[in-house]
Amino acid sequence: AQSVTQPDARVTVSEGASLQLRCKYSYSATPYLFWYVQYPRQGLQLLLKYYSGDPVVQGVNSFEAEFSKSNSSFHLQKASVHWSDSAVYFCALSSGGNYKPTFGKGTSLVVHP
Amino acid sequence: GGIITQTPKFLIGQEGQKLTLKCQQNFNHDTMYWYRQDSGKGLRLIYYSITENDLQKGDLSEGYDASREKKSSFSLTVTSAQKNEMAVFLCASSIGTANTEVFFGKGTRLTVV
Repeated sequence: AQSVTQPDARVTVSEGASLQLRCKYSYSATPYLFWYVQYPRQGLQLLLKYYSGDPVVQGVNSFEAEFSKSNSSFHLQKASVHWSDSAVYFCALSSGGNYKPTFGKGTSLVVHP
Repeated sequence: GGIITQTPKFLIGQEGQKLTLKCQQNFNHDTMYWYRQDSGKGLRLIYYSITENDLQKGDLSEGYDASREKKSSFSLTVTSAQKNEMAVFLCASSIGTANTEVFFGKGTRLTVV
């Protein structure tokens, strides 16, 4: 079975601060990992994805994520957040031969101006 | 690029009523999904379809029916709306392989009075 855990339901930071949103996964092999963002009254949009190779992947809007096989983690990071980054962020996992991606419960990010 | 269109955007129903949500995609994707989003519970898969006329139950299929009439459309029926139910239903589509992203519609917001 595969699962994704986002331990923080809500994160609050000040504009200009650095950010890390945590994601832990459970899967027996190396999975395909994704981060999505959901702005108010919108669907989810892809931020970045990891398949293999360099464990640090770059995404849109200066977001990056680091894959760690030893820690079963795929944390999302940004060096300096903007108020417009306020949204809900979802970590997701897919595996070969499985049509059903597994999503975490999401982390609501609030950026204070 | 493509788009996923969900109708209606807002749906108000009465307890016990049968309600239908519709979804159209022009990506020419084989796989389509229906997710339910509740605050604090993330995304829960209701039904998915890997090709036209195919239907697969997700984790939350009880109380719902689905229909994939053609490749571009996927509808969801709430068979008996529950009083005070409030949720967002998200339709999504993908090529269907594990290493590709899932594209989402903006959602249908259901309120049952």
